[in-house]
Amino acid sequence: DTAVSQTPKYLVTQMGNDKSIKCEQNLGHDTMYWYKQDSKKFLKIMFSYNNKELIINETVPNRFSPKSPDKAHLNLHINSLELGDSAVYFCASSQVDTRTDYGYTFGSGTRLTVV
Amino acid sequence: AQSVTQLDSQVPVFEEAPVELRCNYSSSVSVYLFWYVQYPNQGLQLLLKYLSGSTLVKGINGFEAEFNKSQTSFHLRKPSVHISDTAEYFCAVSYSSNTGKLIFGQGTTLQVKP
Repeated sequence: DTAVSQTPKYLVTQMGNDKSIKCEQNLGHDTMYWYKQDSKKFLKIMFSYNNKELIINETVPNRFSPKSPDKAHLNLHINSLELGDSAVYFCASSQVDTRTDYGYTFGSGTRLTVV
Repeated sequence: AQSVTQLDSQVPVFEEAPVELRCNYSSSVSVYLFWYVQYPNQGLQLLLKYLSGSTLVKGINGFEAEFNKSQTSFHLRKPSVHISDTAEYFCAVSYSSNTGKLIFGQGTTLQVKP
């Protein structure tokens, strides 16, 4: 069983379209994250949810909207896609509340290409 | 400002040689420190972490790292590298125990040559 799974793995779409990326974790973690990795491989946090509650919302365009229907799922919806949105998007989860382990478990990433 | 600096963007090394990948972070009262490895077209995998206790931390694949509070460093080492260690390595720091937010360094590409 994959611990953190993201779909789709690859996404090629035209400018102006709306797309979603889904993420699910089966580790029982209480916190989930979206990170963006740019072409220079720099990783920057976008959002974080703890038990379905938004706790981190970095400076991200309003076109990006996360949704967490339950603590095992965190989806990312992107409206009006732009060329600059092309990147690899990583979902991750961790257990924060019990403070026993802060290590992230990452998904395998979604490579988004906007043409 | 909270930041993480990986001092080398690329580190070429011959197989079976030792290697050190350097990481420095901006000072804070308490931090949690991590090293992750990313193989081509894959997600990130945790190599090791420092939360508290012994400053020398051992991880997977023969890697270890040493936490140095006075120098605000967390350098990663391996005494003898293999071709399969060729990958991108990321140092990460958590300054907040409440959110679990990690700040990543820019990454270091380890290139192991035969």
